[in-house]
Amino acid sequence: ETGVTQTPRHLVMGMTNKKSLKCEQHLGHNAMYWYKQSAKKPLELMFVYNFKEQTENNSVPSRFSPECPNSSHLFLHLHTLQPEDSALYLCASSLGRIISPSSGANVLTFGAGSRLTVL
Amino acid sequence: AQSVTQPDIHITVSEGASLELRCNYSYGATPYLFWYVQSPGQGLQLLLKYFSGDTLVQGIKGFEAEFKRSQSSFNLRKPSVHWSDAAEYFCAVGKREYGNKLVFGAGTILRVKS
Repeated sequence: ETGVTQTPRHLVMGMTNKKSLKCEQHLGHNAMYWYKQSAKKPLELMFVYNFKEQTENNSVPSRFSPECPNSSHLFLHLHTLQPEDSALYLCASSLGRIISPSSGANVLTFGAGSRLTVL
Repeated sequence: AQSVTQPDIHITVSEGASLELRCNYSYGATPYLFWYVQSPGQGLQLLLKYFSGDTLVQGIKGFEAEFKRSQSSFNLRKPSVHWSDAAEYFCAVGKREYGNKLVFGAGTILRVKS
């Protein structure tokens, strides 16, 4: 158990559906992230939240809508997705947003991912 | 633009053999460097990290990596591979002023044959 829990682990949805991915961390971290992992491509950072406030939106299409109600929970709401959005969506967290070279603190901890298939 | 290159998409080694996974980066001044491992159906687990100082870094599971500034490389090594090391390995690069916005390589899939 990594301390970052993602549900569901697998999701199949049609292009007109609305669904949500959930991420929960039990590590006392203050920053949370959504990454997209597509086959044969590097991980792409989508969103960053720090103390519930969005600090980064990496030009993500509006059909992906994040929500961070508190520092422990992060959602990714999905609607009218395209087949090319099929991917593994990884949630991560860190104590803070800035890596501390002296202590190695604030390094990312990842969840196991939610495998999304859009038909 | 910053980039991370992992030249080998797949590598196959025999159990007990040594391993080296390559990582090159283009990131200006000395960045922070990481190696993560992803087992099938799992998220990414941090193997090791480099910020400064000794260029040879020890990590978990018997892995080590060496930072070579002149070659802009941060190659991952293990002297004797175990079958349980079969996974996908990602090199990642960051900088303090970019916070935790790491740039990841495309990954190298390691297969271990018995």
